[in-house]
Amino acid sequence: EAGVTQFPSHSVIEKGQTVTLRCDPISGHDNLYWYRRVMGKEIKFLLHFVKESKQDESGMPNNRFLAERTGGTYSTLKVQPAELEDSGVYFCASSQAGGSLLSEQFFGPGTRLTVL
Amino acid sequence: DAKTTQPNSMESNEEEPVHLPCNHSTISGTDYIHWYRQLPSQGPEYVIHGLTSNVNNRMASLAIAEDRKSSTLILHRATLRDAAVYYCIPPSNAGGTSYGKLTFGQGTILTVHP
Repeated sequence: EAGVTQFPSHSVIEKGQTVTLRCDPISGHDNLYWYRRVMGKEIKFLLHFVKESKQDESGMPNNRFLAERTGGTYSTLKVQPAELEDSGVYFCASSQAGGSLLSEQFFGPGTRLTVL
Repeated sequence: DAKTTQPNSMESNEEEPVHLPCNHSTISGTDYIHWYRQLPSQGPEYVIHGLTSNVNNRMASLAIAEDRKSSTLILHRATLRDAAVYYCIPPSNAGGTSYGKLTFGQGTILTVHP
């Protein structure tokens, strides 16, 4: 069974440009999460989808970030316009239906974003 | 939310047991403690979780103190592949809208020597 996949693995963009990250969760997982680690900091939660609905987006840093999950399958995270402080590694995770802390979250390998 | 405290780093030799401590003195009676780890250049991966009694799985054991204010992740025989950052993760607003959110701290960097 395929795990969580993320695309691209690396992205280098200029400040002010737009970047879209994609996450494909494990098939059948209703819960999808986005996290990120910026340079020198801890991994931080961004948001949580249950199917196509945003359950919790309390970690989204500002309105330059837009996450979608149309149809409840894959998700995209768009950063527009990108700023230098957005550089870091963006992780996606998914878990089975139920969405509780008792459901193991499976993480993707991450997308390393560099904003120049 | 409950808070956790872990040592910044620990070292072990290959084939030896490793005990990774975590203090969570503010945990409530119904909060589970989860452990995840992050291998180099990979996303975090689940290790184990528990509530009151000790737990075992194929990866590790989790020993939880009787007062639940601390726990210890035990790797019975460390291998080079176990070199990673280990995170003791408290529950985060369980039951609220952020149910399921993982709150990562600094974690413990485990170095395993051959």
